[in-house]
Amino acid sequence: SQTIHQWPATLVQPVGSPLSLECTVEGTSNPNLYWYRQAAGRGLQLLFYSVGIGQISSEVPQNLSASRPQDRQFILSSKKLLLSDSGFYLCAWRIGGGYTFGSGTRLTVV
Amino acid sequence: RKEVEQDPGPFNVPEGATVAFNCTYSNSASQSFFWYRQDCRKEPKLLMSVYSSGNEDGRFTAQLNRASQYISLLIRDSKLSDSATYLCVTYTGTASKLTFGTGTRLQVTL
Repeated sequence: SQTIHQWPATLVQPVGSPLSLECTVEGTSNPNLYWYRQAAGRGLQLLFYSVGIGQISSEVPQNLSASRPQDRQFILSSKKLLLSDSGFYLCAWRIGGGYTFGSGTRLTVV
Repeated sequence: RKEVEQDPGPFNVPEGATVAFNCTYSNSASQSFFWYRQDCRKEPKLLMSVYSSGNEDGRFTAQLNRASQYISLLIRDSKLSDSATYLCVTYTGTASKLTFGTGTRLQVTL
């Protein structure tokens, strides 16, 4: 079956610390993968998407980067977190007409 | 102007009521349309796709008006379990991305 895994579920990090969030998918190959962020009281914002290994498209300039080292692995990173990086981070993949999201990581930068 | 606009609500309705949500989108290149449901502090989940001819899934009916760039969702016989935020979503193939509205919150009460 096709599943998407995302971890950790919650994270509290100090300002200036690094970040690494991982997303992996199972049951498919060469999926389109996406990172979204949902800030408090705001809509989902697309951060990055990838159509294949090593291929990353960035939607907005920001303090974050993404990498796709393997076909079914998508990583979101930051070298130094800002307070404004707090939010709900969601990995998603495209299956047929719709997208399926991972369970998300709630990041609080303090 | 936001690419996808929704009334944030909340819509407070009694159990058994019929409620309608509306959404407008600005990108005329949008090709596909969806309604997602998001429970508090959870990931969004696909509720239904929206087709030009209109489509129904049980108590839920979705309509699309491409000329007016308008999408609607009708929920009949509301249940307590329908309480959630409903996200209007468009898909643009050229950018391979979903664009989300900020959502309309529904609270169904006894």
